Amino acid sequence: GDSVTQMEGPVTLSEEAFLTINCTYTATGYPSLFWYVQYPGEGLQLLLKATKADDKGSNKGFEATYRKETTSFHLEKGSVQVSDSAVYFCALDTGRRALTFGSGTRLQVQP
Amino acid sequence: SQTIHQWPATLVQPVGSPLSLECTVEGTSNPNLYWYRQAAGRGLQLLFYSVGIGQISSEVPQNLSASRPQDRQFILSSKKLLLSDSGFYLCAWSVLGYWASDTQYFGPGTRLTVL
Repeated sequence: GDSVTQMEGPVTLSEEAFLTINCTYTATGYPSLFWYVQYPGEGLQLLLKATKADDKGSNKGFEATYRKETTSFHLEKGSVQVSDSAVYFCALDTGRRALTFGSGTRLQVQP
Repeated sequence: SQTIHQWPATLVQPVGSPLSLECTVEGTSNPNLYWYRQAAGRGLQLLFYSVGIGQISSEVPQNLSASRPQDRQFILSSKKLLLSDSGFYLCAWSVLGYWASDTQYFGPGTRLTVL
C-alpha cells in the first residue's frame, strides 16, 4: 500500500541554519506530493506541493523537489527562523480521495 | 474565499459520555470532507471521508461515526467515549477538479480529552 516515511525528530537547529527534512514514499502510479506545517495548537496548513516528477514546490523560503527516481520529496530551507518551529508533515495523494501522511517531524529553532 | 470552522475548540469529557464535533465549510460547494485524528506525538489517521450528503466512508472501524446532513456540514459522533478517543481531531475539505491533485485544507482542530 501507499506509505510515507519521514525522518524522526525532533530536529534542533540554530537560527539561520540550513534545514533538510527527508521524506520518501511508496506508491503506485504517479502521486501528488505535499508538505504541510502544523504550528503549536493549530491545524495543518499547506506549505507546498508538487504534482509531477521534477516539479519544485516552493513557499515562504521552503522548497521541495519531486524526485521520482529516488521516490523522495525532501523539504529544504536555506536559513531557518525561530518562527519556523513547528511540526512538518509529508503527504501523498494517489487520487483515491484521501491523503497518506508521514508521522511528522518536529523542528525546533533556537535563537 | 473558503473557510473551514470546527467547534468546540477544546472539550473534556468523561468516559462513556457521548460526543458531537461539528465542522462547516464556507465559500465552496460539494466539497469532499474528511475527519482525521492525531494522537499525542503521532501522525494523522484518516477516520472518515465524504464525497456528498449522506455518503460516508469509514477508514478505521471503531466506536466513532460520522454524518453529513448538509452539503457543507460534517459531524463526528460517538455514543460512548473511550479513553483511547483522546486526541486532536481535524476536519479537512477538498474539491477534486478535473486537473486537481486533491489538495486538502484543514480546520483549526478540536482537542478532546477523555477522562
